[in-house]
Amino acid sequence: EVQLLESGGGLLQPGGSLRLSCAAAESTFSSFVMNWVRQTPGKGLEWISSITTSGATTSYADSVKGRFTISRDNSKNTLYLQMNSLRTEDTAVYYCASRGAPFEDWGQGTLVTVSS
Amino acid sequence: EIVLTQSPATLSVSPGERVTLSCRASQSVPTNLAWYQQKPGQAPRLLIYGASTRATGIPARFSGSGSGTEFTLTISSLQSEDFAVYYCQQYNNWPSSLTFGGGTKVEIK
Repeated sequence: EVQLLESGGGLLQPGGSLRLSCAAAESTFSSFVMNWVRQTPGKGLEWISSITTSGATTSYADSVKGRFTISRDNSKNTLYLQMNSLRTEDTAVYYCASRGAPFEDWGQGTLVTVSS
Repeated sequence: EIVLTQSPATLSVSPGERVTLSCRASQSVPTNLAWYQQKPGQAPRLLIYGASTRATGIPARFSGSGSGTEFTLTISSLQSEDFAVYYCQQYNNWPSSLTFGGGTKVEIK
C-alpha cells in the first residue's frame, strides 16, 4: 500500500490559481502512474488527470483541459496539480490516487473552495 | 463519454442480509470495471477490478460479476462495517477518459 498525503487546498476567488501537492511515503512512487480525482456533492467522483511514470505523457478530463496541469517530481516522491483560471464549479475535495486504472491507493483529500 | 448508471440510489438493509448493487454502462466496457467503497470522511477504497477480481485484503463476502454493459456487486452477508456508499468506475478508454457512477448508498434498515 502506498501512503499518499495531499496538501495545498484552500479558499480562493474565481479566476485564481492554486497548486496542489501529493507526497508519497515511499521511493517506489516513480514506478506508479499517478492520478487526480475530485469529488463534489453534486457531481460525485470525477477523474481529472493522469500522468505516466516518467511524466512524459499526461491526460486530462475535458472539464479541466487547458486550465489544469499535472506534473511530478520523482526525486521528491511528489505529484502536483497546477490549477489556473479557477471557477466556482471547481469547488471539490481533490484526491490523488496511485496506479491504475483502477486506482489502488488514495490520499485523504484536500478541499478547494472557489467562491467570491 | 461513457455514462454509468447505478441502482438503486439508496438501499436500506439489515445486517446479515444479502445485497446486490447494479451498474449499467451506456456502451460496452468489456470487463474494464471497478467497484469502490466510501465511508463518510474517507477516500474511496478499491474493492473489485476487472469486473470480478477482489483487490488485496478485500473479504470474500464481496463479489463482482458482469461484462459489457451490465455489472453487479454482491455482498453475501452484510456486516456493520459495510454500511457505506458504493461506486462503480469504468476505465475502458483510460487514460483518455474514465468515469464513475453516481453511487449507491447502503444504509441501516
